[in-house]
Amino acid sequence: GIQVEQSPPDLILQEGANSTLRCNFSDSVNNLQWFHQNPWGQLINLFYIPSGTKQNGRLSATTVATERYSLLYISSSQTTDSGVYFCAAPSGGGSEKLVFGKGTKLTVNP
Amino acid sequence: KAGVTQTPRYLIKTRGQQVTLSCSPISGHRSVSWYQQTPGQGLQFLFEYFSETQRNKGNFPGRFSGRQFSNSRSEMNVSTLELGDSALYLCASSLSGLPFSGANVLTFGAGSRLTVL
Repeated sequence: GIQVEQSPPDLILQEGANSTLRCNFSDSVNNLQWFHQNPWGQLINLFYIPSGTKQNGRLSATTVATERYSLLYISSSQTTDSGVYFCAAPSGGGSEKLVFGKGTKLTVNP
Repeated sequence: KAGVTQTPRYLIKTRGQQVTLSCSPISGHRSVSWYQQTPGQGLQFLFEYFSETQRNKGNFPGRFSGRQFSNSRSEMNVSTLELGDSALYLCASSLSGLPFSGANVLTFGAGSRLTVL
């Protein structure tokens, strides 16, 4: 099945800094999603981005499907951005089953 | 509109007992998926239901089962609980029915945190 790898595993920033999180996947995908898990465990869908670039406020994401990677950019980070960021891709065959990476744990200090 | 609702949010069980978790999807969403999250294994797919039919199943023992009702609400059951079943169980819903499209965007509930003693 598809392999999803994320880097870095941990990231510590000062408030106001920018960051880039990376997601590599082993096979071509038609569905790539980024999620943020807050400290209470809630997973929030940030982007559905099988290809191209999308922006939502201070967050943006780019997926280069031909090179099998996706990037999540966080600009002017805030303490509320802390948590774990996951990317996920489908296992294949039109399945709803998503394979998640191990996540990037982001800590934004005031 | 209301999000994905999972109940109960927290529960404590002892080994050998069974547990049933409930998930109410977003109105209009027909697909419900379940994931288990543990510190060691991360997020792992359990199963997915669409129109009351199990469409996909992850690599979990038969003690883990689920079902979906005609109103799209779903339940999952774990029998003969083991210590290793302690985890956050997450339910997600999507419009689905349209593979390879944005209908597959998942919306997660807040989760049910199970502790097995």
